[in-house]
Amino acid sequence: DIVLTQAPLSVSVTPGESASISCRSSKSLLSSKGITSLYWYLQRPGKSPQLLIYQMSNLASGVPDRFSSSGSETDFTLKISKVETEDVGVYYCGHRLEYPLTFGSGTKLEIK
Amino acid sequence: EVQLAESGGGLVQPGRSLKLSCAASGFTFSDYYMAWVRQAPTKGLEWVASISYDGGSTYYRDSVKGRFTISRDNAKSSLYLQMDSLRSEDTATYYCTTGLLLWGQGVMVTVSS
Repeated sequence: DIVLTQAPLSVSVTPGESASISCRSSKSLLSSKGITSLYWYLQRPGKSPQLLIYQMSNLASGVPDRFSSSGSETDFTLKISKVETEDVGVYYCGHRLEYPLTFGSGTKLEIK
Repeated sequence: EVQLAESGGGLVQPGRSLKLSCAASGFTFSDYYMAWVRQAPTKGLEWVASISYDGGSTYYRDSVKGRFTISRDNAKSSLYLQMDSLRSEDTATYYCTTGLLLWGQGVMVTVSS
C-alpha cells in the first residue's frame, strides 16, 4: 500500500501569514499517463472533506487562489498564503494512483 | 446544484447488516467512478470501496472484502453499500464520493450491542 506521511501534525498561524503542509509518498504518484495523482482536502470542523487541489497542482473550482500546491513524484507541499479564520480545520493529502486509495493522517490548522 | 446525499445509517448490532444509499444530482452520474470513504470518530479518512462507471469493476479494502458490497444504479443516479457481518470497528461516518472529488455530507454508522 502507498503510505502518505504528512507533517506537521498541527500548525498554528496568525491571520494574514502563510502556512505550509508537507505530504510525502512511499511511492511515486506519477501515473503512466503523466498525471501526478495527489489530492489535497480540507475538512472543516463538523463538515465533510472538501477538495482543494487535484492532480498535484490544479485548484478546484471555487477554491481561493491563496491555496497552491507543488511537488515532485513523491514530495508535495500545500501552501496557504494570507491565512484566514475560515481556513481552520484538518488538511489531508490523498492519492488515486492505485488501490487501495490512501490518505495522509491529517494536519490540523489552528488560528493564533 | 451538484450534490451527493447519503442515507441509511444508524445503530446496528455486531453481526447484523445495513445498506447505505447515496443519491446523486446535478451531474451525469454514469460519467464517474464512485467510492465510499469512512472516518471513525476522531480519526482520519479511510477508503472503503470503489466502483467503475458501469459497475463492472469493484474494489475493496482488505478489511471489508467478503462483507461489504458496493453497487450502483445509473438509471437512478444512486450508489449503494451493502454492509454485512458488521463489526465494532466499522463504526464511522461513511462518505459517498465521486472518485474523491465531490463528497457527500456523510452518514453515521454505529455498530454496538
